[in-house]
Amino acid sequence: KAGVTQTPRYLIKTRGQQVTLSCSPISGHRSVSWYQQTPGQGLQFLFEYFSETQRNKGNFPGRFSGRQFSNSRSEMNVSTLELGDSALYLCASSPQTGTSETQYFGPGTRLLVL
Amino acid sequence: GESVGLHLPTLSVQEGDNSIINCAYSNSASDYFIWYKQESGKGPQFIIDIRSNMDKRQGQRVTVLLNKTVKHLSLQIAATQPGDSAVYFCAERTYSSASKIIFGSGTRLSIRP
Repeated sequence: KAGVTQTPRYLIKTRGQQVTLSCSPISGHRSVSWYQQTPGQGLQFLFEYFSETQRNKGNFPGRFSGRQFSNSRSEMNVSTLELGDSALYLCASSPQTGTSETQYFGPGTRLLVL
Repeated sequence: GESVGLHLPTLSVQEGDNSIINCAYSNSASDYFIWYKQESGKGPQFIIDIRSNMDKRQGQRVTVLLNKTVKHLSLQIAATQPGDSAVYFCAERTYSSASKIIFGSGTRLSIRP
């Protein structure tokens, strides 16, 4: 079974632009969570989607948004990019929401904001 | 996808020895705890987890110990191998918000030949 895939793997943007990242969960998994990883803040939870609905949300500004499609694929969008948005963005999938089932992470998308 | 590496504590272990990675947590309401391993260029990989009503759980070459009195979690890796080199994160979850994993800051494990 294929793992979680994320595209693109690397991205360079400039301040003020917006960016969309994509995540395809493991086949059969319906929950997709997004995390931001930076040297200063470590790994931080952004949000979770299940059945095309946002179920949980971390403490990030409204510039960070996401959505999930009927096939469980998810996208996250960051608008009006800031230098501090440079990070590794990780997506994780699990079969259901609100359970203790393991989350499986993708390789991440590395975003550099200049 | 390399792990955050600028200011991580580092543990250096001789190949073949046992490794012990420690973690302190703050939320006494957490229902279970997880250890992840992150290798360079990859996302975090699940190693083992433990529920808050347990104090020890063993896996293949790994053991997790939980001390709720002092809010301390440890990961023991037996017979450390070169492939164990990575950054290790402890993490916690609650049943009420199970999809939200709270990660610790990570420890870099390096193996001496």
